[in-house]
Amino acid sequence: QVQLVESGGGLVKSGGSLRLSCAASGFAFSDFYMTWIRQAPGKGLEWLSYIDGTGSTIYYADSVKGRFAISRDNARNSLYLQINILGAEDTAVYYCARSHPYYYDSDGYSPVVDYWGQGTLVTVSS
Amino acid sequence: SSELTQDPAVSVALGQTVRITCQGDSLRSCYASWYQQKPGQAPVLVVFGKNNRPSGIPDRFSGSSSGSTASLTITGAQAEDEAEYYCHSRDSSTNHLMFGGGTKLTVL
Repeated sequence: QVQLVESGGGLVKSGGSLRLSCAASGFAFSDFYMTWIRQAPGKGLEWLSYIDGTGSTIYYADSVKGRFAISRDNARNSLYLQINILGAEDTAVYYCARSHPYYYDSDGYSPVVDYWGQGTLVTVSS
Repeated sequence: SSELTQDPAVSVALGQTVRITCQGDSLRSCYASWYQQKPGQAPVLVVFGKNNRPSGIPDRFSGSSSGSTASLTITGAQAEDEAEYYCHSRDSSTNHLMFGGGTKLTVL
């Protein structure tokens, strides 16, 4: 079965950096887009970034572009998110997810996130 | 505009039908997918495409779309359907993904 397990979260000081990891299993990792999504306490879901199976196509939300870097290691079935210059606004649960941004069937396009990890909490302190 | 707008809260009597809506320009070029999230848990995909459900999702969940509005309908709401619901789409011009702000569903 598909499993996504995030790690690397914790308490970090404002201005610091952090690297989140996601270990994937149960599917052909290199065949799939992967996505990072976060959720601040009591708030909604915020898409952050996605990467294609080869690592050659990457998109970032405008709110994090330049500070966040997504990458993957297909040999290790792992996804990463490097977060730099952390601020209070980055306090959130960070989810790793398997994504199909360009899912298409006979009816049309529909982006889909079909599997989610349980999330890793990042808390930024001043 | 690259935003998705949802009503913050909706309520429904047990066993009745409720519609949760999502508005945004991106929905003119792609269908929304919908996610259910219960407190302390990761979101779960419930509807995608024109009206498709993943395996294990009850058929009381259905999706529809018209113009720039997507809808998730729960026909015969159950107590276990009380949750936050999010719509999800992609901006076809930027290829950026987005989520709606979420709708908290209360089953009375």
